[in-house]
Amino acid sequence: QVTLKESGPALVKPTQTLTLTCTFSGFSLSSTGMRVSWIRQPPGKALEWLARIDWDDDKFYTTSLKTRLTISKDTSKNQVVLTMTNMDPVDTATYYCARVSVSWYFYFDYWGQGTLVTVSS
Amino acid sequence: DIQMTQSPSSLSASVGDRVTITCRASQSITDYLHWYQVKPGKAPKLLIYAASTLQSGVPSRFSGRGSGIDFTLTIISLQPEDFATYFCQQSYTTPYTFGQGTKLEI
Repeated sequence: QVTLKESGPALVKPTQTLTLTCTFSGFSLSSTGMRVSWIRQPPGKALEWLARIDWDDDKFYTTSLKTRLTISKDTSKNQVVLTMTNMDPVDTATYYCARVSVSWYFYFDYWGQGTLVTVSS
Repeated sequence: DIQMTQSPSSLSASVGDRVTITCRASQSITDYLHWYQVKPGKAPKLLIYAASTLQSGVPSRFSGRGSGIDFTLTIISLQPEDFATYFCQQSYTTPYTFGQGTKLEI
């Protein structure tokens, strides 16, 4: 059974760095073809894909946030970590991690419940 | 980046109705198009992948069609639990992009 769960601070101040952890079970990110992504949804707005990390440590980022994001993995702990620097109130959102399907279609087949991050002084 | 234009942004319907949501890509994405259902406080749910393949466990009243640029998600015989927000997503290339969402309301 595949599960994912996001954890991190609920509140961060502007200019701070956000660190989110995705802890998963039911698969191994060291297995060929495994990938995990981060996606966010500001209140009342659309989903926005942020980043992806692959079993072979390949990393991909959304264009507009590329300079602020870092994704990494700890396969021994079954965790993926996302850091976002220089947080701004517009970054207030629910942040989700999701497993990317093993197929070549790269859809998100399992999601965590999300964690709401508010950026405010 | 590939832009995904979804319409309508909101839709009012009744239990038992049939509804269709459309998604248009800014360039051909062949069949790299997927649909998700999002409800407040819950994990988003994959409904359809590869434009028309029903995810395991998803009721057959959901269906997807299309290829290239234009895609649709159709729900027949709406049930109370179907009132939610729906998003399309392309995975033809990174950065992956989503449509703006369609809020389906009673």
